[in-house]
Amino acid sequence: GAVVSQHPSWVICKSGTSVKIECRSLDFQATTMFWYRQFPKQSLMLMATSNEGSKATYEQGVEKDKFLINHASLTLSTLTVTSAHPEDSSFYICSAREGAGNEKLFFGSGTQLSVL
Amino acid sequence: DAKTTQPNSMESNEEEPVHLPCNHSTISGTDYIHWYRQLPSQGPEYVIHGLTSNVNNRMASLAIAEDRKSSTLILHRATLRDAAVYYCILRDPLYMNRDDKIIFGKGTRLHILP
Repeated sequence: GAVVSQHPSWVICKSGTSVKIECRSLDFQATTMFWYRQFPKQSLMLMATSNEGSKATYEQGVEKDKFLINHASLTLSTLTVTSAHPEDSSFYICSAREGAGNEKLFFGSGTQLSVL
Repeated sequence: DAKTTQPNSMESNEEEPVHLPCNHSTISGTDYIHWYRQLPSQGPEYVIHGLTSNVNNRMASLAIAEDRKSSTLILHRATLRDAAVYYCILRDPLYMNRDDKIIFGKGTRLHILP
């Protein structure tokens, strides 16, 4: 089956630094990728929808200047957490789809970000 | 997105069948019912999906009510590895624009007792 590779799987950084998370579709072209964050014992919260070659669409309340999303190719999307603070510590998950609508989604294994 | 409601948690004994319910009373005629599960510290994984007829695959079965206002995910013989959060999601294949959002509810946390 299709695979989405996400890395790093965990990262620890100092407050004020930036962290980049990569999401790759390994055997299909992902026209759309989704970025989620998840706090302990809570559900996934959609942050933004990323379409190849265009600007990401952010959900209400998500700062686009803080969470930079780039989807420069059909197999790669990146999420950069800029000037990270302890409250940004969370589990970040990417998802990709090949088409639209009915097609099943493929998820990365997630990135646990801890900001000291 | 049409809303789904699921019990917060369920418990089952190992090697017994598990029936996970999902209510979606506002489902539209073109919404597909998808199920995903999330194992601890991992991203979600696809389980099964269907439209009207019951569906079976190697992981589970999906029973869809005749009026489509509810569905049930069936794990025929639960193992400890099935302990996860199970999410029921509706997706509209006619929503073909690039802004299709995938919104997760709270899901059902399934505990398997050895």
